[in-house]
Amino acid sequence: GAVVSQHPSRVICKSGTSVKIECRSLDFQATTMFWYRQFPKQSLMLMATSNEGSKATYEQGVEKDKFLINHASLTLSTLTVTSAHPEDSSFYICSGLPGNTEAFFGQGTRLTVV
Amino acid sequence: EDQVTQSPEALRLQEGESSSLNCSYTVSGLRGLFWYRQDPGKGPEFLFTLYSAGEEKEKERLKATLTKKESFLHITAPKPEDSATYLCAVQQWGGNTGKLIFGQGTTLQVKP
Repeated sequence: GAVVSQHPSRVICKSGTSVKIECRSLDFQATTMFWYRQFPKQSLMLMATSNEGSKATYEQGVEKDKFLINHASLTLSTLTVTSAHPEDSSFYICSGLPGNTEAFFGQGTRLTVV
Repeated sequence: EDQVTQSPEALRLQEGESSSLNCSYTVSGLRGLFWYRQDPGKGPEFLFTLYSAGEEKEKERLKATLTKKESFLHITAPKPEDSATYLCAVQQWGGNTGKLIFGQGTTLQVKP
């Protein structure tokens, strides 16, 4: 299967600061990548679709000014959580579709805001 | 409303005790149904894709099947290393075709 690398795997930040999470496709080009959020004991919820060279598409209820997405190249998408607060603490996971069918996921990033 | 429901929520099996996990879906225009395995603190790992009713896929002790309303993940003679959360997701035709709608998952524990 395709390889998606996500960094960092864990991050702790202070309330009010911003955190950037990177998602890289290592063995395929990704014109589109997806960012999900997963709360404890819950399933994955799509936050936004990241499009290379254009604006991201956000799901209903997701604040685009809080969750900034940049997809500047065919192998890298970044998610920046701005002015983070404790309620933003969650597990963030990205995915890419090398063949426009099966999605392959990164390892996830555990964000803790204190 | 498009929906994916998995059952049971949790399942405990003895090693070697076969069972099935269920994924019921209500979506318009199913493009594909996916099964993933997720270990604690990790991203989902791809297992299977099913596209049409009647299709079956197998991998080691796992077998996935699909009907027009649900999918089953059959686990034959499971081992402790099969313990994980199994996620079902669907992809629709039209709009954002890459978007996956996930079920809540079934957490499987296999005891030696």
